[in-house]
Amino acid sequence: LAKTTQPISMDSYEGQEVNITCSHNNIATNDYITWYQQFPSQGPRFIIQGYKTKVTNEVASLFIPADRKSSTLSLPRVSLSDTAVYYCLVVLSGNTPLVFGKGTRLSVIA
Amino acid sequence: GAGVSQSPSNKVTEKGKDVELRCDPISGHTALYWYRQRLGQGLEFLIYFQGNSAPDKSGLPSDRFSAERTGESVSTLTIQRTQQEDSAVYLCASSLSSGKVYEQYFGPGTRLTVT
Repeated sequence: LAKTTQPISMDSYEGQEVNITCSHNNIATNDYITWYQQFPSQGPRFIIQGYKTKVTNEVASLFIPADRKSSTLSLPRVSLSDTAVYYCLVVLSGNTPLVFGKGTRLSVIA
Repeated sequence: GAGVSQSPSNKVTEKGKDVELRCDPISGHTALYWYRQRLGQGLEFLIYFQGNSAPDKSGLPSDRFSAERTGESVSTLTIQRTQQEDSAVYLCASSLSSGKVYEQYFGPGTRLTVT
């Protein structure tokens, strides 16, 4: 399984765009890049998934360069409610256990 | 619709006692997963069910841990002779078994405290 590396923590002010970069140097051809969000005392929640280039949904954008060895989760105009831990995962298929690292703890400040 | 539910939400037990944790997945989700999360850590995979069978038990930390699933629905995780290091939040997730849907839906977890 490809290992991921991401910053332990980040701080941001409300209204700013936040970019969290994840490294996955040994990603395999069939792997997908997936991000989850976890609020305190809750289970993780799926945010976005991509294979290459750019994916956007109502919550975030995911940028993946051509070599796929890294990816960047972009959260536009964060609010206090975006304070959470964000996990970057590399997933082989829809039915494999997820491998979570420690994630990035994002703190949004008013 | 209803999400993944887990019970109890909190469990305090004495060292050496057995505990049972329950997970009710989303209806129609054939894949079910158990994870453990220690304080300040990421999630640790325990066991995965596809239907009633468990093709991957590689994450179970010891033979004190076991899990079963009946009728492609409810699953129970049993920890025998609990130890203090078993204290953690135990999370259950379910997902559809077909297609490129890599989204696992997590329950709120059971917080286990072993005293």
